[in-house]
Amino acid sequence: SQQGEEDPQALSIQEGENATMNCSYKTSINNLQWYRQNSGRGLVHLILIRSNEREKHSGRLRVTLDTSKKSSSLLITASRAADTASYFCATRETSGSRLTFGEGTQLTVNP
Amino acid sequence: GAVVSQHPSWVICKSGTSVKIECRSLDFQATTMFWYRQFPKQSLMLMATSNEGSKATYEQGVEKDKFLINHASLTLSTLTVTSAHPEDSSFYICSARSYGGGATDTQYFGPGTRLTVL
Repeated sequence: SQQGEEDPQALSIQEGENATMNCSYKTSINNLQWYRQNSGRGLVHLILIRSNEREKHSGRLRVTLDTSKKSSSLLITASRAADTASYFCATRETSGSRLTFGEGTQLTVNP
Repeated sequence: GAVVSQHPSWVICKSGTSVKIECRSLDFQATTMFWYRQFPKQSLMLMATSNEGSKATYEQGVEKDKFLINHASLTLSTLTVTSAHPEDSSFYICSARSYGGGATDTQYFGPGTRLTVL
């Protein structure tokens, strides 16, 4: 079963606006990762945040992790139409090697 | 970053036939490979984990006799869908992880294979 739950399920914004997606999980984790998937394509790794980190930046991406609330957020600033895709969080549990994916957020950025 | 390829990118087959999907890590050695299945507008569901030279570990509910996984080398894993049926139609994605053993190892994903069973 999927560990992660993401909200919103779908998000539609205008170019230039910021997009925030949230992810919650249930078990103890070693790290949390965010991936992007264009329709019908494979996954692209965006960013990884370790369990002892609280915030991480990469370009226009900002990820936060709150292990006390078992939640993470992905912020995309100054969004572009090319950011339109599905975004998934995935957790690496402390007990094993598997990567468990959330349900995903479909982001649409309108030009 | 590291590259993982899959072949074929799409396949259409008749019900009852078997289909083999290849997953290759092109510029690194993958000690562990993962196979996922993704139905339309849904998330990725892990099917099995395979380590080079050993039997795959299947997730609960995944039939090991139907989804045969072979990880014969550090750069190649294959998934064979045996006696495919229309309900097996899905997007199959492989992922490879290089040995390091650390919790922060990145998994690299292939582009996926779209299987359609008629």
